[in-house]
Amino acid sequence: GENVEQHPSTLSVQEGDSAVIKCTYSDSASNYFPWYKQELGKRPQLIIDIRSNVGEKKDQRIAVTLNKTAKHFSLHITETQPEDSAVYFCAASIRAGKSTFGDGTTLTVKP
Amino acid sequence: DTGVSQDPRHKITKRGQNVTFRCDPISEHNRLYWYRQTLGQGPEFLTYFQNEAQLEKSRLLSDRFSAERPKGSFSTLEIQRTEQGDSAMYLCASSLALEDTQYFGPGTRLTVL
Repeated sequence: GENVEQHPSTLSVQEGDSAVIKCTYSDSASNYFPWYKQELGKRPQLIIDIRSNVGEKKDQRIAVTLNKTAKHFSLHITETQPEDSAVYFCAASIRAGKSTFGDGTTLTVKP
Repeated sequence: DTGVSQDPRHKITKRGQNVTFRCDPISEHNRLYWYRQTLGQGPEFLTYFQNEAQLEKSRLLSDRFSAERPKGSFSTLEIQRTEQGDSAMYLCASSLALEDTQYFGPGTRLTVL
């Protein structure tokens, strides 16, 4: 089955700096890669996603890149703010089926 | 609120008891997923439905777990003879069958004493 690895497990940055979180996946059939933000005690919230026919997608301060050949994708957050502090999860799925999640990255943005 | 809802939000039970959770998906969403999340981990897939049909069940899921979606709308997840290792957040998500995006509910936190 699919296996998703996520790095780093914790990330601390100064407000205004950029943050990068990386994930790799194992199943080349995976074609959908969402990123979720989860605050303590809350539900995972989709923040951005990318499909396998696209190499990069950007939404304001957040961007995601995908390298299908290497089977890895990354989340980039620019101009970080304290409210970006949360746990971020990457995931991979095949044709709208189940999602396989990484173990999460705890991002702390220091004011 | 037209999002995914789950009930109860919290459940405390004693080892050996049975528990049942309910998930109401976003209306028109014909796919419904159950995940389990333990502290410090990402959500782990349990099972999913398209309408009333259970399309896939995780091999990690023991026979004590069963899920239903009898009318293709809400779903229930039952855990029989609970064990302390079942303590986790149980998350439900829904989507349209031909779309990838899953929307999560607030979860049910289960504590087994």
